[in-house]
Amino acid sequence: DAKTTQPPSMDCAEGRAANLPCNHSTISGNEYVYWYRQIHSQGPQYIIHGLKNNETNEMASLIITEDRKSSTLILPHATLRDTAVYYCIVRSNNDYKLSFGAGTTVTVRA
Amino acid sequence: SAVISQKPSRDICQRGTSLTIQCQVDSQVTMMFWYRQQPGQSLTLIATANQGSEATYESGFVIDKFPISRPNLTFSTLTVSNMSPEDSSIYLCSVERTGGVETQYFGPGTRLLVL
Repeated sequence: DAKTTQPPSMDCAEGRAANLPCNHSTISGNEYVYWYRQIHSQGPQYIIHGLKNNETNEMASLIITEDRKSSTLILPHATLRDTAVYYCIVRSNNDYKLSFGAGTTVTVRA
Repeated sequence: SAVISQKPSRDICQRGTSLTIQCQVDSQVTMMFWYRQQPGQSLTLIATANQGSEATYESGFVIDKFPISRPNLTFSTLTVSNMSPEDSSIYLCSVERTGGVETQYFGPGTRLLVL
């Protein structure tokens, strides 16, 4: 069963912020939201994760709605190297499984 | 984070043969996993490699086809046995330390083409 829903694709302009949405309406109280990305021909790269508070690191920001049913990954200044498939994954703290959906194919254009 | 290497990075094999893929981590980790990514598809977990005991396989994957070893806390192997063209995929290992909220880190993957 899919726990998250993401748009299949989106285009972004280089230098602009990229906002990637994710719906996870059935998320449980002990489940975290993780984001990974996979650049072509490489292994998935961890980006960020959060429980209910907004999070920021050197790569991105994660905004989680108050009801936790959706979230947005923000790449503040997209570059061509950010072109990748982005995966939003819901996972509980005691579950080792990462269930990858189809993700969002993000294309950053010059 | 963790630095993970896989060998080989890619290979072309004949059907009916077997290939063993190695995964090496730069530090001790508790959990190691093997995933498969078929062409144009997302990642699917094959199994959890358990140190000192048999691997735990996900539904649809069996030990005879994908035997796994994990002799210590930094190394694991996955063998793809009796290969067919349907086994052509990227095989990835991932690792995780335990304690608190964990992050899983992935290796670069092994690209396998079976002719």
